[in-house]
Amino acid sequence: DAKTTQPNSMESNEEEPVHLPCNHSTISGTDYIHWYRQLPSQGPEYVIHGLTSNVNNRMASLAIAEDRKSSTLILHRATLRDAAVYYCILKTGNQFYFGTGTSLTVIP
Amino acid sequence: DAGVIQSPRHEVTEMGQEVTLRCKPISGHNSLFWYRQTMMRGLELLIYFNNNVPIDDSGMPEDRFSAKMPNASFSTLKIQPSEPRDSAVYFCASSLTAVPTYEQYFGPGTRLTVT
Repeated sequence: DAKTTQPNSMESNEEEPVHLPCNHSTISGTDYIHWYRQLPSQGPEYVIHGLTSNVNNRMASLAIAEDRKSSTLILHRATLRDAAVYYCILKTGNQFYFGTGTSLTVIP
Repeated sequence: DAGVIQSPRHEVTEMGQEVTLRCKPISGHNSLFWYRQTMMRGLELLIYFNNNVPIDDSGMPEDRFSAKMPNASFSTLKIQPSEPRDSAVYFCASSLTAVPTYEQYFGPGTRLTVT
């Protein structure tokens, strides 16, 4: 299965944008890029997904490199409630490989 | 909708005992997934069902683990006999279908402690 690489942790100041990177150099043409986040003591929560084009929703934006070997999750204005572990996942069919994710700390 | 419902939220049991975890998916969702999360191994997919039929159980660690989905609104994950290394948080998730474009909705998890 294709896998992803993310920094273990990142920090951001409150109300500033956050760019969370993800490398997925072995991505195949049918792999969708999904992002989930997990708040403390909760189950993972869907954030956004895409295939080739950049995507926006109410929670975040997803920027996908032209060669699809990397992507970036963008939180436009971090709040304290955004402190969580963010997982970048490649999905083909039913398989989700969550990896270790990036732990985001938001500093007030 | 109430979301994915799991019970119990916490379970403490002794080694050798049978443990049954329960999950009620979101109404109308056709796919159901069982995950296990530990500090050492992170989130691992154990098994998933589509239309109540087990499709992929390659993540089930050993024969002590079994999962059933007798109908569209209920699934169980059973461990018999339980061992201390089974201690983890077990998540159930459901999705409209298993195709890659649909997101999964996770329950709050069951924290299992085996002493």
